[in-house]
Amino acid sequence: LAKTTQPISMDSYEGQEVNITCSHNNIATNDYITWYQQFPSQGPRFIIQGYKTKVTNEVASLFIPADRKSSTLSLPRVSLSDTAVYYCLVVTDTGRRALTFGSGTRLQVQP
Amino acid sequence: NAGVTQTPKFRVLKTGQSMTLLCAQDMNHEYMYWYRQDPGMGLRLIHYSVGEGTTAKGEVPDGYNVSRLKKQNFLLGLESAAPSQTSVYFCASSYSPGRTEAFFGQGTRLTVV
Repeated sequence: LAKTTQPISMDSYEGQEVNITCSHNNIATNDYITWYQQFPSQGPRFIIQGYKTKVTNEVASLFIPADRKSSTLSLPRVSLSDTAVYYCLVVTDTGRRALTFGSGTRLQVQP
Repeated sequence: NAGVTQTPKFRVLKTGQSMTLLCAQDMNHEYMYWYRQDPGMGLRLIHYSVGEGTTAKGEVPDGYNVSRLKKQNFLLGLESAAPSQTSVYFCASSYSPGRTEAFFGQGTRLTVV
């Protein structure tokens, strides 16, 4: 699976839009980009998944350029409760693939 | 609506003791995973299973064994606990590793003294 690289940490203030970029230069044709969120002392939870262009749900938007070598998770108008670690994963259903996480991006939202 | 349930939630072991962590899911998922998470770190995959009766090694399998005798259960065993195995352990399950989301348990905090 393609290796992902994302910033170790980011800081923001309440009400701002936060964009977290993940690079995955070796992404394959059958791969999808998935983001998870983890709060302290909890297991990760799924946020959003996409293959190309833009995907939006009630929590976030995911922007994927045409070459798919990177992706950007966008959190609109963050609040203190968005303080968490965000993981970018490249996943596939081809073959007997495991689900592996990197170190993630630690987002700290200040009042 | 139990989802993924881990047992126990907390445990303190002495070095050399053994124990088994149980993960149970009620969503009929094929894939199940065991991870460990050390303070300030990401999740590292220990072992995983692609279906009943199957197991496979992940990134950090040494010192752990697993079994998937029933589809709904995935057991993680520590035969001889070491202080380096002090961590929070998370179990997860999914229909597949790709297109479907994975659901996580609440974690087991294990301390080996």
